Amino acid sequence: EAAVTQSPRNKVAVTGGKVTLSCNQTNNHNNMYWYRQDTGHGLRLIHYSYGAGSTEKGDIPDGYKASRPSQENFSLILELATPSQTSVYFCASGERGGSQNTLYFGAGTRLSVL
Amino acid sequence: GEKVEQHESTLSVREGDSAVINCTYTDTASSYFPWYKQEAGKSLHFVIDIRSNVDRKQSQRLIVLLDKKAKRFSLHITATQPEDSAIYFCAASKNYGNEKITFGAGTKLTIKP
Repeated sequence: EAAVTQSPRNKVAVTGGKVTLSCNQTNNHNNMYWYRQDTGHGLRLIHYSYGAGSTEKGDIPDGYKASRPSQENFSLILELATPSQTSVYFCASGERGGSQNTLYFGAGTRLSVL
Repeated sequence: GEKVEQHESTLSVREGDSAVINCTYTDTASSYFPWYKQEAGKSLHFVIDIRSNVDRKQSQRLIVLLDKKAKRFSLHITATQPEDSAIYFCAASKNYGNEKITFGAGTKLTIKP
């Protein structure tokens, strides 16, 4: 079973503070993703990565940075957190191309920015 | 970029009846359409997918239909059971891999006894 682990699971941050959400996968997948889930919007893609050292902008990248220092790890960074970034964040990993396109999701991180 | 619209935000059906969730997409280059399920308080997991080279795919009680001309696809759950209650997300991506998968807003399906 593919494994994607997110930390922390819950986070309360102050406006203007820096927040780092971490994601680790043991699937040896090339691709990793950060999504946020909000009622009425579903899942929206923030950043994604093809492999170590690469990061790509998704559909809503403003206010977020990403870092992929290794195949296993993909971080989402909020340099100056704002209340509008209060959300549930999901990390996912997936294989690149081929016949297997399934995404494997972590358990999610609930972030509250006060 | 691609936009995926999920037409039903909520859906309620009686146990044993069929449920249908409809989605449309905008990018004609999209060719891979997965569905994910999120049970209450949990993460998402894959349930079924369809590629653009077919117009129908079935896995046990799940059927996915694809109408490329209308840029529309749908998930049919037959003989619904209480454990089918969840939020279902449709998604779309292009055929060179899953580098970017765009999700719909989700449909909350409730199975009534």
